[in-house]
Amino acid sequence: AQRVTQPEKLLSVFKGAPVELKCNYSYSGSPELFWYVQYSRQRLQLLLRHISRESIKGFTADLNKGETSFHLKKPFAQEEDSAMYYCALKGGNTPLVFGKGTRLSVIA
Amino acid sequence: ETGVTQSPTHLIKTRGQQVTLRCSSQSGHNTVSWYQQALGQGPQFIFQYYREEENGRGNFPPRFSGLQFPNYSSELNVNALELDDSALYLCASSLAGRGRTDTQYFGPGTRLTVL
Repeated sequence: AQRVTQPEKLLSVFKGAPVELKCNYSYSGSPELFWYVQYSRQRLQLLLRHISRESIKGFTADLNKGETSFHLKKPFAQEEDSAMYYCALKGGNTPLVFGKGTRLSVIA
Repeated sequence: ETGVTQSPTHLIKTRGQQVTLRCSSQSGHNTVSWYQQALGQGPQFIFQYYREEENGRGNFPPRFSGLQFPNYSSELNVNALELDDSALYLCASSLAGRGRTDTQYFGPGTRLTVL
């Protein structure tokens, strides 16, 4: 069965500090991994997907198949990064499976 | 380009009642997915519709049903409401199809409270 685990419910960092939001997954095949973000009073939106291999708003995420992880990283946190972050997995014809989310709080 | 819209924004029902939630897809999108997001949880997949046919279903009982219309808008119907059905219901549209993955664009959600 597919499963996405985000071990931290809340992560607080100071502005300018590095950020790493953890995501581990369980899936027997080759998954597609995504990070979604929800800013305050806004709708859920796609931040990045591993197949794009791009950096969005300074965030990057590398799929590590050996560790079954897809951690989200940013070298220098900004206050506007404060939001709810969800890791999600899609395998084959199966639907998106979301983790429970991590709330990132960037302290000025 | 019009984004995904959902109605109503909030709804209060009592146990045993029935509810219909509505979703208008983003312009040009032919696939709609519905999710239930309970408090403190991530969205959980209910089902997906592609060109008016159900195209996958999550672990939800048959009292959760849906429709997609020719204009690709969609409805989620829940019969015999239970207290645990209280949640935020999200609709997401995409331009995709069977087996394809494409970016899903989410609506603002409908907050359902069952008393």
